[in-house]
Amino acid sequence: QSVLTQPPSTSGTPGQRVTISCSGSSSNIGSNYVCWYQQVPGTAPKLLIYRNNQRPSGVPDRFSGSKSGTSASLAIGGLRSEDEADYYCAAWDDSLSGYVFGTGTKVTVL
Amino acid sequence: QVQLQESGPGLVKPSETLSLSCTVSGGSFSHYYWTWVRQPAGKGLEWIGRIYPSGTTNYNPSLKSRVTVSLDTSENRFSLRLSSVTAADTAVYYCARDQGVSVGGGFDYWGQGALVTVSS
Repeated sequence: QSVLTQPPSTSGTPGQRVTISCSGSSSNIGSNYVCWYQQVPGTAPKLLIYRNNQRPSGVPDRFSGSKSGTSASLAIGGLRSEDEADYYCAAWDDSLSGYVFGTGTKVTVL
Repeated sequence: QVQLQESGPGLVKPSETLSLSCTVSGGSFSHYYWTWVRQPAGKGLEWIGRIYPSGTTNYNPSLKSRVTVSLDTSENRFSLRLSSVTAADTAVYYCARDQGVSVGGGFDYWGQGALVTVSS
């Protein structure tokens, strides 16, 4: 049912940089802001990135977001063990008149 | 600090109506949208619907025929009703504050989540 496509998983060693892609369409990512959420299993999601590339207060600058056309990306630099979580992108979809989430990406720190 | 807390029955029978409330404390109820998101066990996030204090609502098209989101501004509380539930509606239900599409601020505050199981 998800309209935004993400890779199911990615991994890296501590200190590495990992990138998560989020592919959408002109009705969602192509015309609206993208947000990213981090969810540690068993807890509520946490806003990580808003307005494509803005970090809420308290989010480390290791996390960065970008958007180009109908795709967006989340980069985690200097990977740390506490970054092991599920990550979701989200955007408003003009055709659906509602929000859509990405399929989710599990990040594993090796 | 803004806090949201879901409340409601944890068990609902098939074909009945799921009802949850979300109480907001520590911040203004006005000028924000208030939204519901759910997550079946082991699966991804699904947006359900939202409401603005003016009463304006938006719903996920796949759930629209069964969903109602309402609010009680005097109690700083908003609610979710999902009718004719089946086992597929078993999930953790989250309420969240939505900064709105034009602002692009996302869902910046979330409740802890409420597990609702649909079973006879």
